[in-house]
Amino acid sequence: GESVGLHLPTLSVQEGDNSIINCAYSNSASDYFIWYKQESGKGPQFIIDIRSNMDKRQGQRVTVLLNKTVKHLSLQIAATQPGDSAVYFCAENGSGANSKLTFGKGITLSVRP
Amino acid sequence: DAGVTQSPTHLIKTRGQHVTLRCSPISGHKSVSWYQQVLGQGPQFIFQYYEKEERGRGNFPDRFSARQFPNYSSELNVNALLLGDSALYLCASSLTRLSGANVLTFGAGSRLTVL
Repeated sequence: GESVGLHLPTLSVQEGDNSIINCAYSNSASDYFIWYKQESGKGPQFIIDIRSNMDKRQGQRVTVLLNKTVKHLSLQIAATQPGDSAVYFCAENGSGANSKLTFGKGITLSVRP
Repeated sequence: DAGVTQSPTHLIKTRGQHVTLRCSPISGHKSVSWYQQVLGQGPQFIFQYYEKEERGRGNFPDRFSARQFPNYSSELNVNALLLGDSALYLCASSLTRLSGANVLTFGAGSRLTVL
């Protein structure tokens, strides 16, 4: 079946270092891939998305890379800050006239001071 | 402008009971989606409503139902509660029902515990 999943359950980084969070997906028909951040007690918060016809997109301190050949998505966070500590989810937005998201299991990012 | 608001924030029910969860979307958003998030997992799609009609349904039993009102707010109903229904129920709103740059904005969720 279709699935979106993450390689590692937890990631610990030193404050100021760069973080890389990886994700594998299996549905090649998805139009968009999205990264969400979820802090404790809150709902998922949109970080950045990338359309399936792109391979890189940059935001403020974040970059998303899409490798369709190996169905791999990554989120790079530059100069990681304590406020970046959260659970990160990759999700795919299926093609067609709907906004259903299929989420992976999530990875916890812990930033060491 | 207020974000997506959900109520109640926390509730405890016993098996066999039913529950109604409520959601108010961002002003101007016409689409509301519901997701279930079990502890330690990513959210799972339950329903999408747009202009008061069901536009999508996930792999959930008929015990789960929802509706959208003329003001675009929404209710999620779950009947005959099971222990496995314990989860965070998330509501998300968006401008349209289309995919693409249709960013979902999530509420903080309703934490349901079934005893």
